[in-house]
Amino acid sequence: EAGVAQSPRYKIIEKRQSVAFWCNPISGHATLYWYQQILGQGPKLLIQFQNNGVVDDSQLPKDRFSAERLKGVDSTLKIQPAKLEDSAVYLCASSLAAGRLDTQYFGPGTRLTVL
Amino acid sequence: QKEVEQNSGPLSVPEGAIASLNCTYSDRGSQSFFWYRQYSGKSPELIMSIYSNGDKEDGRFTAQLNKASQYVSLLIRDSQPSDSATYLCAVYNTNAGKSTFGDGTTLTVKP
Repeated sequence: EAGVAQSPRYKIIEKRQSVAFWCNPISGHATLYWYQQILGQGPKLLIQFQNNGVVDDSQLPKDRFSAERLKGVDSTLKIQPAKLEDSAVYLCASSLAAGRLDTQYFGPGTRLTVL
Repeated sequence: QKEVEQNSGPLSVPEGAIASLNCTYSDRGSQSFFWYRQYSGKSPELIMSIYSNGDKEDGRFTAQLNKASQYVSLLIRDSQPSDSATYLCAVYNTNAGKSTFGDGTTLTVKP
């Protein structure tokens, strides 16, 4: 079974530029999560989709971050414009259903550096 | 106060010893509890889940939950150098549909 795919793996940009990340979840997983993990901290949930609907985006900085999950499969997370404090690893994860963290798998992550 | 608190460590134990990792949480509505292992530069991977008070054992790992004290722990028996990693505690509130991670405890097992 293929795991959660993410691209790119690394990205370096200057502040005020824009960037987009892509995620392809495990086949059959209805719930998709985007997390931000700053060095030395635990993952922070940015947004959670159930199929192509948003379940929770309470911690997403909506003035600069946006995410979509078209057709309930792939998802993209965008930052525009980026700030220095956005430097982090962005983790995508998927699970069979909302709350089923016992079936949650993480992708390899995208390491973003904002200069 | 953070919603999920863990000692940052580092926690160092000799090979073969028992490592004890602790986690407290503030949301009394939390119903599901999880431990993840994260190697340096890698993504978290789930190692244990627990839903009711008491102990749950899986191989060398034992998770313990006390909802009254809002406390969950992970014991690793016969610790191996390969267990050296950061261990993340996560809690899930089903009604709110919200998951929260702690910042993790770094464990080092010395040969």
